[in-house]
Amino acid sequence: SQELEQSPQSLIVQEGKNLTINCTSSKTLYGLYWYKQKYGEGLIFLMMLQKGGEEKSHEKITAKLDEKKQQSSLHITASQPSHAGIYLCGAGNKLVFGAGTILRVKS
Amino acid sequence: EPEVTQTPSHQVTQMGQEVILRCVPISNHLYFYWYRQILGQKVEFLVSFYNNEISEKSEIFDDQFSVERPDGSNFTLKIRSTKLEDSAMYFCASSEGPPGLGAKNIQYFGAGTRLSVL
Repeated sequence: SQELEQSPQSLIVQEGKNLTINCTSSKTLYGLYWYKQKYGEGLIFLMMLQKGGEEKSHEKITAKLDEKKQQSSLHITASQPSHAGIYLCGAGNKLVFGAGTILRVKS
Repeated sequence: EPEVTQTPSHQVTQMGQEVILRCVPISNHLYFYWYRQILGQKVEFLVSFYNNEISEKSEIFDDQFSVERPDGSNFTLKIRSTKLEDSAMYFCASSEGPPGLGAKNIQYFGAGTRLSVL
Protein backbone atom coordinates (compact mmCIF):
# COMPACT_ATOMS: atom_id res chain seq x y z
CA SER A 1 0.00 0.00 0.00
CA GLN A 2 1.07 3.56 -0.64
CA GLU A 3 2.76 5.52 2.12
CA LEU A 4 3.50 9.22 2.18
CA GLU A 5 6.36 10.62 4.18
CA GLN A 6 6.48 14.31 4.98
CA SER A 7 9.48 16.38 5.96
CA PRO A 8 10.17 18.18 8.11
CA GLN A 9 7.90 16.99 10.91
CA SER A 10 7.77 20.50 12.29
CA LEU A 11 9.03 23.90 11.37
CA ILE A 12 9.30 27.22 13.17
CA VAL A 13 9.97 30.21 10.94
CA GLN A 14 10.16 33.94 11.45
CA GLU A 15 7.34 35.88 9.87
CA GLY A 16 8.32 36.94 6.37
CA LYS A 17 10.60 33.97 5.72
CA ASN A 18 10.10 31.41 2.97
CA LEU A 19 9.75 27.71 3.67
CA THR A 20 9.32 24.39 1.88
CA ILE A 21 7.53 21.20 2.96
CA ASN A 22 8.13 17.93 1.14
CA CYS A 23 5.98 14.88 0.62
CA THR A 24 7.54 11.69 -0.74
CA SER A 25 5.55 8.69 -1.87
CA SER A 26 6.57 5.04 -1.59
CA LYS A 27 4.86 4.37 -4.94
CA THR A 28 4.30 6.20 -8.23
CA LEU A 29 2.50 9.45 -7.65
CA TYR A 30 -0.29 9.99 -10.15
CA GLY A 31 -1.52 13.06 -8.33
CA LEU A 32 -1.63 14.59 -4.93
CA TYR A 33 -3.73 16.73 -2.64
CA TRP A 34 -2.52 19.27 -0.11
CA TYR A 35 -4.68 20.10 2.89
CA LYS A 36 -4.19 22.34 5.89
CA GLN A 37 -5.41 21.41 9.36
CA LYS A 38 -5.67 23.90 12.16
CA TYR A 39 -5.16 22.45 15.61
CA GLY A 40 -8.23 20.37 16.53
CA GLU A 41 -10.09 21.34 13.37
CA GLY A 42 -10.96 19.84 10.04
CA LEU A 43 -8.92 19.59 6.89
CA ILE A 44 -9.08 22.54 4.55
CA PHE A 45 -8.42 21.81 0.87
CA LEU A 46 -5.51 23.82 -0.51
CA MET A 47 -4.48 22.39 -3.87
CA MET A 48 -4.67 19.40 -6.15
CA LEU A 49 -1.86 18.38 -8.49
CA GLN A 50 -2.93 16.07 -11.28
CA LYS A 51 0.18 15.29 -13.29
CA GLY A 52 3.93 15.27 -13.16
CA GLY A 53 5.56 18.65 -13.56
CA GLU A 54 2.41 20.48 -12.61
CA GLU A 55 2.76 23.56 -10.46
CA LYS A 56 -0.08 25.45 -8.85
CA SER A 57 -0.20 28.61 -6.79
CA HIS A 58 -2.76 30.10 -4.46
CA GLU A 59 -1.94 33.38 -2.82
CA LYS A 60 1.55 32.85 -1.40
CA ILE A 61 1.52 29.05 -1.52
CA THR A 62 2.98 27.12 -4.46
CA ALA A 63 2.89 23.35 -4.87
CA LYS A 64 4.74 21.22 -7.39
CA LEU A 65 4.59 17.57 -8.36
CA ASP A 66 7.73 15.74 -9.45
CA GLU A 67 6.48 12.41 -10.76
CA LYS A 68 9.97 10.99 -11.35
CA LYS A 69 11.05 11.66 -7.79
CA GLN A 70 7.62 10.54 -6.50
CA GLN A 71 7.60 13.77 -4.56
CA SER A 72 5.63 16.94 -4.09
CA SER A 73 6.76 20.16 -2.47
CA LEU A 74 4.77 22.97 -0.93
CA HIS A 75 6.47 26.34 -0.80
CA ILE A 76 5.26 29.32 1.20
CA THR A 77 6.65 32.72 0.33
CA ALA A 78 6.87 35.49 2.93
CA SER A 79 5.17 33.47 5.68
CA GLN A 80 2.53 35.06 7.89
CA PRO A 81 1.00 33.98 11.22
CA SER A 82 -2.11 32.94 9.27
CA HIS A 83 -0.04 30.22 7.58
CA ALA A 84 0.46 28.42 10.89
CA GLY A 85 -1.10 24.98 11.11
CA ILE A 86 -0.55 21.40 10.04
CA TYR A 87 0.03 20.71 6.36
CA LEU A 88 -1.00 17.31 5.07
CA CYS A 89 -0.39 15.69 1.73
CA GLY A 90 -2.81 13.02 0.57
CA ALA A 91 -2.99 10.65 -2.39
CA GLY A 92 -5.09 7.82 -3.79
CA ASN A 93 -8.80 7.20 -4.03
CA LYS A 94 -9.03 6.19 -0.37
CA LEU A 95 -7.01 9.20 0.62
CA VAL A 96 -3.78 8.13 2.28
CA PHE A 97 -2.23 10.97 4.23
CA GLY A 98 1.24 11.81 5.38
CA ALA A 99 1.83 12.40 9.08
CA GLY A 100 1.72 16.14 8.57
CA THR A 101 4.13 19.04 8.99
CA ILE A 102 3.46 21.39 11.90
CA LEU A 103 4.23 24.96 10.92
CA ARG A 104 4.63 27.74 13.47
CA VAL A 105 5.27 31.31 12.36
CA LYS A 106 6.85 33.68 14.85
CA SER A 107 5.89 37.31 14.56
CA GLU B 1 -19.58 28.83 0.87
CA PRO B 2 -21.02 25.32 1.18
CA GLU B 3 -19.45 23.23 3.92
CA VAL B 4 -19.63 19.82 5.55
CA THR B 5 -21.20 20.03 9.00
CA GLN B 6 -20.56 17.52 11.78
CA THR B 7 -22.33 17.10 15.08
CA PRO B 8 -21.59 16.90 17.91
CA SER B 9 -18.19 18.54 18.04
CA HIS B 10 -17.31 16.46 21.09
CA GLN B 11 -18.90 13.23 22.28
CA VAL B 12 -18.05 11.51 25.53
CA THR B 13 -19.26 7.97 26.04
CA GLN B 14 -18.71 4.98 28.28
CA MET B 15 -16.99 1.89 26.93
CA GLY B 16 -19.51 -0.53 25.47
CA GLN B 17 -22.06 2.15 24.59
CA GLU B 18 -23.29 2.86 21.10
CA VAL B 19 -22.57 6.22 19.51
CA ILE B 20 -23.83 7.86 16.36
CA LEU B 21 -21.79 10.58 14.73
CA ARG B 22 -23.68 12.81 12.34
CA CYS B 23 -22.67 14.63 9.21
CA VAL B 24 -24.44 16.86 6.73
CA PRO B 25 -22.47 16.71 3.47
CA ILE B 26 -22.42 19.48 0.89
CA SER B 27 -25.85 19.45 -0.75
CA ASN B 28 -24.98 18.49 -4.35
CA HIS B 29 -22.35 15.93 -3.36
CA LEU B 30 -23.00 12.27 -3.99
CA TYR B 31 -19.96 10.56 -2.45
CA PHE B 32 -19.42 10.43 1.28
CA TYR B 33 -16.53 9.34 3.46
CA TRP B 34 -15.49 8.83 7.04
CA TYR B 35 -11.92 9.16 8.26
CA ARG B 36 -10.48 9.08 11.74
CA GLN B 37 -7.40 10.47 13.42
CA ILE B 38 -6.18 9.00 16.67
CA LEU B 39 -4.31 11.61 18.70
CA GLY B 40 -0.79 12.01 17.37
CA GLN B 41 -1.35 9.69 14.42
CA LYS B 42 -2.18 10.00 10.74
CA VAL B 43 -5.61 10.63 9.31
CA GLU B 44 -6.92 7.19 8.23
CA PHE B 45 -9.60 6.25 5.74
CA LEU B 46 -12.51 4.27 7.16
CA VAL B 47 -15.21 4.01 4.52
CA SER B 48 -16.66 5.50 1.36
CA PHE B 49 -20.36 5.49 0.49
CA TYR B 50 -22.28 6.07 -2.70
CA ASN B 51 -25.82 5.41 -3.82
CA ASN B 52 -26.77 4.03 -0.40
CA GLU B 53 -24.02 1.44 -0.45
CA ILE B 54 -20.53 1.13 0.92
CA SER B 55 -18.07 1.53 -1.96
CA GLU B 56 -14.88 0.74 -0.09
CA LYS B 57 -13.85 0.18 3.47
CA SER B 58 -10.59 -0.22 5.33
CA GLU B 59 -9.52 -2.98 7.68
CA ILE B 60 -10.38 -0.66 10.56
CA PHE B 61 -14.03 -0.62 9.52
CA ASP B 62 -15.09 -3.86 11.15
CA ASP B 63 -18.51 -5.13 12.20
CA GLN B 64 -18.67 -2.62 15.05
CA PHE B 65 -19.00 0.17 12.52
CA SER B 66 -21.87 0.98 10.20
CA VAL B 67 -22.83 3.90 8.02
CA GLU B 68 -26.19 5.11 6.87
CA ARG B 69 -27.84 7.87 4.92
CA PRO B 70 -31.13 7.98 6.82
CA ASP B 71 -32.58 10.84 4.80
CA GLY B 72 -31.66 13.18 1.99
CA SER B 73 -29.26 15.27 4.01
CA ASN B 74 -27.63 13.30 6.83
CA PHE B 75 -24.84 10.75 6.74
CA THR B 76 -24.08 8.87 9.95
CA LEU B 77 -21.39 6.68 11.41
CA LYS B 78 -22.48 4.30 14.14
CA ILE B 79 -20.11 2.52 16.46
CA ARG B 80 -22.07 -0.29 18.07
CA SER B 81 -20.05 -1.03 21.19
CA THR B 82 -17.33 1.51 21.75
CA LYS B 83 -13.86 0.53 22.94
CA LEU B 84 -11.19 2.70 24.51
CA GLU B 85 -9.19 2.55 21.28
CA ASP B 86 -12.09 4.10 19.36
CA SER B 87 -11.21 7.43 20.99
CA ALA B 88 -10.24 9.66 18.09
CA MET B 89 -11.26 12.59 15.93
CA TYR B 90 -13.73 11.42 13.28
CA PHE B 91 -13.94 13.38 10.06
CA CYS B 92 -16.72 13.25 7.51
CA ALA B 93 -15.97 14.27 3.93
CA SER B 94 -17.94 14.55 0.72
CA SER B 95 -17.24 14.99 -2.97
CA GLU B 96 -19.34 15.74 -6.01
CA GLY B 97 -17.73 13.02 -8.09
CA PRO B 98 -16.07 9.68 -7.33
CA PRO B 99 -12.65 9.47 -5.68
CA GLY B 100 -9.94 10.52 -8.09
CA LEU B 101 -8.19 13.55 -9.49
CA GLY B 102 -10.31 16.38 -10.75
CA ALA B 103 -12.25 19.38 -9.59
CA LYS B 104 -15.34 17.26 -8.94
CA ASN B 105 -13.34 14.65 -7.06
CA ILE B 106 -11.98 16.89 -4.33
CA GLN B 107 -13.00 15.66 -0.90
CA TYR B 108 -14.18 18.43 1.43
CA PHE B 109 -13.93 17.75 5.13
CA GLY B 110 -15.98 18.72 8.14
CA ALA B 111 -14.47 20.09 11.35
CA GLY B 112 -14.68 16.66 12.98
CA THR B 113 -16.22 15.04 16.04
CA ARG B 114 -13.90 14.28 18.90
CA LEU B 115 -14.97 10.98 20.44
CA SER B 116 -13.76 10.23 23.94
CA VAL B 117 -14.43 6.71 25.24
CA LEU B 118 -14.04 6.36 29.01
